[in-house]
Amino acid sequence: QKEVEQNSGPLSVPEGAIASLNCTYSDRGSQSFFWYRQYSGKSPELIMFIYSNGDKEDGRFTAQLNKASQYVSLLIRDSQPSDSATYLCAVPPEGATNKLIFGTGTLLAVQP
Amino acid sequence: KAGVTQTPRYLIKTRGQQVTLSCSPISGHRSVSWYQQTPGQGLQFLFEYFSETQRNKGNFPGRFSGRQFSNSRSEMNVSTLELGDSALYLCASSLAGPKNIQYFGAGTRLSVL
Repeated sequence: QKEVEQNSGPLSVPEGAIASLNCTYSDRGSQSFFWYRQYSGKSPELIMFIYSNGDKEDGRFTAQLNKASQYVSLLIRDSQPSDSATYLCAVPPEGATNKLIFGTGTLLAVQP
Repeated sequence: KAGVTQTPRYLIKTRGQQVTLSCSPISGHRSVSWYQQTPGQGLQFLFEYFSETQRNKGNFPGRFSGRQFSNSRSEMNVSTLELGDSALYLCASSLAGPKNIQYFGAGTRLSVL
């Protein structure tokens, strides 16, 4: 069974700080990596995706991928209370791009 | 552009009954995937349909089934409901292709009593 692992948290950061969320995956053949945000009682919302090694930046969000270490991270700069949510890392196994394997999610709490 | 639409939003059933959930994908999206989310197991993949064919399947019993119509709308069915089937059922649609992105609907909250 291919796995995606995340620290469940909660991760508590003060407003304005950088939040760092981490994810490891087991399938070396995986080619794409996704971060979803899920507010309590709501459905997952895509915030970042990355396909190749290195960093990808979008506004306050940066995704980092290290395929050699099978490690994906999400950085949130200038964290806001509205960023408080569960962040889910999702990785499709090799050859099954529409079969997302989700981590258990990290609960982020941004303290005003 | 309308998003992924799931109906109904809430359902209450009793053990032994069956249920059908519906999902209309984003216009132009031909792939529909279904997921189950529970507090204990998190988000788990059920199955994916593309061009009316099941293309991927997760590790769920045969009581869970689905289908896709020619307009890409999809339904999933759960027969002989068990208490443990209480969950949020999420549908996601995407374009075909290796770098596709899945967009989720609001989900159907199923409670089995």
